[in-house]
Amino acid sequence: QLQLQESGPGLVKPSETLSLTCTISGGSISSSSYYWGWIRQPPGKGLEWIGSIYYRGSTYYNPSLKSRVTISIDMSKNQFSLKLSSVTAADTAVYYCARHADLYSTSEFDYWGQGTLVPVSS
Amino acid sequence: EIVLTQSPGTLSLSPGERATLSCRASQSVSSSYLAWYQQKPGQAPRLLIYAASRRATGIPDRFSGSGSGTDFTLTISRLEPEDFAVYYCQQYGNSQWTFGQGTKVEIK
Repeated sequence: QLQLQESGPGLVKPSETLSLTCTISGGSISSSSYYWGWIRQPPGKGLEWIGSIYYRGSTYYNPSLKSRVTISIDMSKNQFSLKLSSVTAADTAVYYCARHADLYSTSEFDYWGQGTLVPVSS
Repeated sequence: EIVLTQSPGTLSLSPGERATLSCRASQSVSSSYLAWYQQKPGQAPRLLIYAASRRATGIPDRFSGSGSGTDFTLTISRLEPEDFAVYYCQQYGNSQWTFGQGTKVEIK
């Protein structure tokens, strides 16, 4: 059974960089049929897609966050990572990592991590 | 960017009733790229429907999806107590994924 687990610091200060890692177990990040994405959810609000990556390195970012986001992949560790720079309180959210189907098939998010709350506060 | 607008914002129903949730897109969406999710408090979203009408693995047949173009619908034929939750639609297009703002289905 595929499992995804987010990890990272529990608190980030304003203007600093938020860094999270998603570790995949029960499957391979280098599967040709899937992409890997980050989604966030501010407390009490809806879902916002942040960005996605394919194992060969192709990346896709939400235009509203693109200037601050970097997503990378480490196949040797079966992990992918998120960096969000220059954070403010508006970036406080639960951050989820998820797998989604190939862009050329149906592209839904079928497996999700449990999510990790990242407060931005001094 | 394709904007998804869900209605109503909140749906108050009793167990056993039928729930009809709407998702309207600001421009046409390929049916292959429209999905629905259920989210309960403190949990990650769960995939219910993909490609507009295909149920995900393990999803009961009381959940069904329909629609095309700019108008899509999620129907829950008879609400069970565990179905009271928030539901999101989501689309993929032009290298972007977007979600609707959600519909809360609450117990009347």
